[in-house]
Amino acid sequence: SYELTQPPSVSVSPGQTARITCSGDVFPEQYSYWYQQKPGQAPTLVIYKDSERPSGIPERFSGSSSGTTVTLTISGVQAEDEADYHCQSVDNSGTFSHVVFGGGTQLTVL
Amino acid sequence: EVQLVQSGPVVKKFGESLKISCKASGYSFASDWVGWVRQLPGKGLEWMGIIHPGDSDTRYSPSFEGQVTISADESISTAYLQWSRLKVSDTARYYCARRKGHYYVTRNYFDSYGVDVWGQGTTVIVSS
Repeated sequence: SYELTQPPSVSVSPGQTARITCSGDVFPEQYSYWYQQKPGQAPTLVIYKDSERPSGIPERFSGSSSGTTVTLTISGVQAEDEADYHCQSVDNSGTFSHVVFGGGTQLTVL
Repeated sequence: EVQLVQSGPVVKKFGESLKISCKASGYSFASDWVGWVRQLPGKGLEWMGIIHPGDSDTRYSPSFEGQVTISADESISTAYLQWSRLKVSDTARYYCARRKGHYYVTRNYFDSYGVDVWGQGTTVIVSS
């Protein structure tokens, strides 16, 4: 099975740019997806297929891919962006294309 | 509005059985895959498995094969996650979620737009 590796935590001051990375051997062959999860809430999809933004997600959220690492970038970070962020891709090594998640990154807005 | 509404929190004892539910509304339940995700206290997300309610095609992640059963009742737009014998280590929050996209069987490729709709989560506590 495949593993996705994220840093446990990232800190940034309001108005600065936060970059959260996710590394794995499944990239770049497979797409990446990103989810935001605030305390006590269900996750919310913020990026799909590496760089697409679902409707309603602010433009300050963007995604990119380079080799075996994908990155979620939050430009002009706001206090409300403080949350856990989970990357996701797929594991096709078995008989089905299963979802796999990274360990999650806690974003702290200083 | 597209939504998934899950059953309420549960406290059970080791060895008991349990079935939690996830009711869909606002979209064609039979058309989209519905998965289950476990989140242990203070930990990340773990994908457990998925079902296509239209034909009951059910697939389990290797870590959860044989540990749980996923099912769905298309007539009432509801998916289920069940355990026959709970363990204390099953204490967690469980989410149901829609995985939007199309699965190409011959290519083992899921053209996915992400897990775009999530239930509010069900907390399961198992005591010894």
